[in-house]
Amino acid sequence: GAGVSQSPSNKVTEKGKDVELRCDPISGHTALYWYRQSLGQGLEFLIYFQGNSAPDKSGLPSDRFSAERTGGSVSTLTIQRTQQEDSAVYLCASSQGDRQNGNQPQHFGDGTRLSIL
Amino acid sequence: AQSVTQLGSHVSVSEGALVLLRCNYSSSVPPYLFWYVQYPNQGLQLLLKYTSAATLVKGINGFEAEFKKSETSFHLTKPSAHMSDAAEYFCAVSDSRAGNTGKLIFGQGTTLQVKP
Repeated sequence: GAGVSQSPSNKVTEKGKDVELRCDPISGHTALYWYRQSLGQGLEFLIYFQGNSAPDKSGLPSDRFSAERTGGSVSTLTIQRTQQEDSAVYLCASSQGDRQNGNQPQHFGDGTRLSIL
Repeated sequence: AQSVTQLGSHVSVSEGALVLLRCNYSSSVPPYLFWYVQYPNQGLQLLLKYTSAATLVKGINGFEAEFKKSETSFHLTKPSAHMSDAAEYFCAVSDSRAGNTGKLIFGQGTTLQVKP
């Protein structure tokens, strides 16, 4: 498709389980971002990829969170030993990416709604 | 550090009335500024962006915003509200310095209600 694709769209899991969230960016977009949207905290930046490297991981809330990107394309966000406070919508965005990333519009997927029981 | 404040978590207007959503930013250097809209169960869609060109920026769906450095503001307006404008609106800022990552810092969002 032409847009950013995220899967699954919804995920319900038990506390303590691991989850993997997938993001397929727009073809050719080298910059990829993960954000988290929750009622209490609003929209928060998690991690930024340029190609396969992640020069900014400053938003990851704990070491239970990790992400990787392979082939400069698909990215996976993994949350280990999930806690109830991890319940949120996880949004992925991509942009063309160049030396001036700041002025490139980010294109968002519809998100994964994660519920921890 | 950069930050964004959106004044008013909920705004209600009548159909056909002026829409004004307020956004103020804090940044040590002139930033890039964005307005995004989010419809229920969807991702964010870019309405418009300011990247240091014209201070009055026109976007999609009849929205526009004016960058006012002296007031550190980037308010979003639309002359005449339509029922389809009901959604949540986010103002965001990113770093304009060379080598920036492009990560967005968002305001808390404003829910726009349009009454018939």
